[in-house]
Amino acid sequence: QKEVEQNSGPLSVPEGAIASLNCTYSDRGSQSFFWYRQYSGKSPELIMSIYSNGDKEDGRFTAQLNKASQYVSLLIRDSQPSDSATYLCAVNNRIKAAGNKLTFGGGTRVLVKP
Amino acid sequence: DADVTQTPRNRITKTGKRIMLECSQTKGHDRMYWYRQDPGLGLRLIYYSFDVKDINKGEISDGYSVSRQAQAKFSLSLESAIPNQTALYFCATAQAGSQETQYFGPGTRLLVL
Repeated sequence: QKEVEQNSGPLSVPEGAIASLNCTYSDRGSQSFFWYRQYSGKSPELIMSIYSNGDKEDGRFTAQLNKASQYVSLLIRDSQPSDSATYLCAVNNRIKAAGNKLTFGGGTRVLVKP
Repeated sequence: DADVTQTPRNRITKTGKRIMLECSQTKGHDRMYWYRQDPGLGLRLIYYSFDVKDINKGEISDGYSVSRQAQAKFSLSLESAIPNQTALYFCATAQAGSQETQYFGPGTRLLVL
């Protein structure tokens, strides 16, 4: 069983609509959660981080965390064609006293159609 | 200038050759990581280092080795390259702390013939 699960998509949304991406994780001890955006052939780029239950908004992006249900989601409002990319969910876990390790989901591909 | 750089950006090599991928950072971060990415398999951790004297295996370390020459440099070596090591390789860095957000380099595209 994968530790971090995402629907691979593609998630197709019309321009201007809301894109909703979900991610579930298996380790109840996970403390911090990240969403990265990755364009084809490029490196992952951090767009959101969230550490506490509830919502966190940054521009057109909203991250939602529910630790009891072990899921984290990302909403993209007013989707633009430039939002077409793969979105990676990552979960941070303490692996030893010295530091943390990220576990990535497989990514959700989003296509925004004009 | 980019905070995290990787060299080379593209490399073609032959089976059995030894190659080295290099990562440098100017962010002053303690932690450095090497990942590979394959289509459909996401990002997988090869090795990581929490400081200059610390080296740890990730989930797919077989066939790879690393060297942390200084806080700013972390090199990945393929001792004897094989075709299934063809992938996109990323270096990442993070500052020690409670959250340790990781920041990625531009990647190295490796093709092993």
